[in-house]
Amino acid sequence: EVQLVESGGGLVQPGGSLRLSCEASGFTFRSHDMHWVRQVSGRGLEWVSGIDTSAHTYYADSMKGRVTISRENAKNSLFLQMDSLRVGDTAVYYCAREPAVPGNWYFDLWGRGTLVTVSS
Amino acid sequence: EIVLTQSPGTVSLSPGERATLSCRASQSVSSNSLAWYQLKPGQAPRLLLYGVSSRVTGIPDRFSGSGSGTDFTLTISRLEPEDFAVYFCLQYGGSPRTFGQGTKVEV
Repeated sequence: EVQLVESGGGLVQPGGSLRLSCEASGFTFRSHDMHWVRQVSGRGLEWVSGIDTSAHTYYADSMKGRVTISRENAKNSLFLQMDSLRVGDTAVYYCAREPAVPGNWYFDLWGRGTLVTVSS
Repeated sequence: EIVLTQSPGTVSLSPGERATLSCRASQSVSSNSLAWYQLKPGQAPRLLLYGVSSRVTGIPDRFSGSGSGTDFTLTISRLEPEDFAVYFCLQYGGSPRTFGQGTKVEV
């Protein structure tokens, strides 16, 4: 089955850290650029970070310097290391895939998400 | 960055009715790089349309997209019970990619 499964969310205090993981299955993971997108307040979606097939990384200004995206193709896995977390980072974090065909920069496959709650 | 504004925020309709959802961009979306997604609680977002009007394989033809430049529309011709959900637009022609705030289609 073609799917993405996120894990690693939870409750963390402001200033704390979390490492999110996303395990891919059913497709050739190394052939796709991958991303993290979050949904805050139950409604708005925000692109957080992306990594291409050559491991070049991209970050939203709102999280630059506080998050690090990485991938391990041998394990079909995507990661997001989040540091210096703020209350405003509370959200559901989704792993998302770009199509393998270059130039198609939408997200064609998503996971169910993992909830990150930043609270004291 | 391109700001996408979706309207209405919530629309109340009945099965069998037509839903017309709007997504307006703060500047022109290049190359018709606009997609629509369906989101239900606890589920993965589902891609419906990309390139404004290209339907993903397996998506029913009651879902259609139109528009260009700054104004885009998702139409659901006859609502089925499973269509009641939140719908988001995404522009991927500019950096960063940005989403609308969503339209909830409720019974």
